[in-house]
Amino acid sequence: GAVVSQHPSRVICKSGTSVKIECRSLDFQATTMFWYRQFPKQSLMLMATSNEGSKATYEQGVEKDKFLINHASLTLSTLTVTSAHPEDSSFYICSASEGGNYGYTFGSGTRLTVV
Amino acid sequence: AQTVTQSQPEMSVQEAETVTLSCTYDTSENNYYLFWYKQPPSRQMILVIRQEAYKQQNATENRFSVNFQKAAKSFSLKISDSQLGDTAMYFCAFKTNQAGTALIFGKGTTLSVSS
Repeated sequence: GAVVSQHPSRVICKSGTSVKIECRSLDFQATTMFWYRQFPKQSLMLMATSNEGSKATYEQGVEKDKFLINHASLTLSTLTVTSAHPEDSSFYICSASEGGNYGYTFGSGTRLTVV
Repeated sequence: AQTVTQSQPEMSVQEAETVTLSCTYDTSENNYYLFWYKQPPSRQMILVIRQEAYKQQNATENRFSVNFQKAAKSFSLKISDSQLGDTAMYFCAFKTNQAGTALIFGKGTTLSVSS
């Protein structure tokens, strides 16, 4: 089945630095990828929709200058958290679809801790 | 706008028993897709079952089945012969028929299966 690889799984960074999270579709091409944020024991909150070759669409309240999304190819989308602060600490998950409406495959998530 | 409601924050069941998780949704669309995802302690999102709104027949995947009531906008998940490995957070999700749209998640139900 479809596999989405997300790296790193865990990252600790200092306040003020930037961190990049990669999301790759391994065996299919993903025109659209999605980035979610999840707090402990809560649901997934959609941050942005990433379309290959175009600018990402951000959800209301999500700072596009802080959460930079690049979808340069049909198999790779990246999320860069710029000038990270402790409040950015969270679990970030990407997802992608092979197309159609068969459900989306999710990456394994990245636990970001900003100290 | 579409919304998904899961009214049971937590549920518990013993091994081999049957449990039903509730989900209701709101939409003005006639054709859409519904999903149940499982998120175990590893936090990997796993697709459990999928239902197409234009199909009246309830979807079934081994021990998992749904009760889809389109008029009532209800989409419950039944887990039969519960196993310890079913312990997880379960999310109900909605997707429009439009390509490239994100899943809309409910708040989730934490299911604990005990021996």
